[in-house]
This record gives sequence, structure tokens and C-alpha cells, in this order.
Amino acid sequence: SQQGEEDPQALSIQEGENATMNCSYKTSINNLQWYRQNSGRGLVHLILIRSNEREKHSGRLRVTLDTSKKSSSLLITASRAADTASYFCATDADTGGFKTIFGAGTRLFVKA
Amino acid sequence: NAGVMQNPRHLVRRRGQEARLRCSPMKGHSHVYWYRQLPEEGLKFMVYLQKENIIDESGMPKERFSAEFPKEGPSILRIQQVVRGDSAAYFCASSPQGAPNTGELFFGEGSRLTVL
Repeated sequence: SQQGEEDPQALSIQEGENATMNCSYKTSINNLQWYRQNSGRGLVHLILIRSNEREKHSGRLRVTLDTSKKSSSLLITASRAADTASYFCATDADTGGFKTIFGAGTRLFVKA
Repeated sequence: NAGVMQNPRHLVRRRGQEARLRCSPMKGHSHVYWYRQLPEEGLKFMVYLQKENIIDESGMPKERFSAEFPKEGPSILRIQQVVRGDSAAYFCASSPQGAPNTGELFFGEGSRLTVL
């Protein structure tokens, strides 16, 4: 069954505003990652948070992880038009599977 | 330091033909993953390979699809007798370490298959 599911599916904000995307998953995990994909391009890794971590920062990105709720959030502060992209969460299950599973993504549009 | 290289970037095939997609992982990476992405959707796992071994092919259709990662050369995803439903972007990713704690995946730019 699918692991990460992002919410919302699409988000449109003004430049300078913050963008928050959420991800829920179903089984216990070793780590959770967020990736970004510009239209027509490959995915680019943004940040990884391990199952024993609760919060992580990288530049304008802030990721939280709540393993009790099986959910994560990605916050992009002070958004820019260049942040327009699709954002995916991905999980490595700790149940012996061998794959990183991606959610359906949140499409973020930042208006200049 | 080249990243993950995929070719061709675009491939057009007629129904019934074969599609062969190639992926060269990043230098030093021995773990390769193939994913399929339909328009406006997420990535669906297909197969995970190490050199000369298929580790997990649970996401790959049982018929017409095959993958390999030989000792020398790129990983190949082969789709035989393509149908229109095979039209998608196929992404390859590599990592320096494997499951169960793979960590960051490094993606290629994808191969976009169009079946006429």
C-alpha cells in the first residue's frame, strides 16, 4: 500500500508568504525525506529526517516529524516564485521492504 | 562529477515495439532504482537493483517489463510490446547505500516514453 500521502494536493500563495505541506504515512519508518520536482525534471533531495528526530532545519526549510501520528510537515518560509514546483515526501519503511515510497505530491505555485 | 545519466530523454514507440531505457548511476553508487511517473502523479516504485542482482521487483508488472544492472555498463529497463498505457516518464535513481536505510536518492532527468 502507498506510504506517503501529501496534503494539500495543490497550494497557491503569494511571494513572501509561508507554505506548509503535510505528509501522512502508514507503516513505521526509518526515515522520511522531502524532494522537489520542477516541471519536466528529475527529483531533487531537500532534506531527510530520521525516525528519532522531531524537527530539522535547512535554510528556509523546516521539517517536523511526528511518529505517533505518522505524519510530517514541510514549511517553506518567505517563499519565492522560484519555489514553484511539486514537493514529494518519501519514506523508507523499517519493515524489511527494499524501496523508498513516494507520495502523490503537493503542487506549489508561488505568485510573484 | 556527473550525476545520474539517463537516456534517451525522449522516446517514441509504436504499439508492439520494444522500449529500452538506460541509466548510469552516479560514480561509486551500486544501488539503482527505477520509478514510473504518470502526468500530475507521484512516483511509483518499479524495481531496485544492485550490480548483477534484482533485490526488489515488486512494483514491476509481471509481463513485458524487465530490468537488469550488469557488472559492466548501465542499468537497463526494457519494456516489450509496448502499449499506450506504458506512456509515462521513467526515472532512475541511485544511492551509495541500500535498504533498509537508503537515505538520499539521486535522480536522473528521466526518460519520457510516448507510445503511439
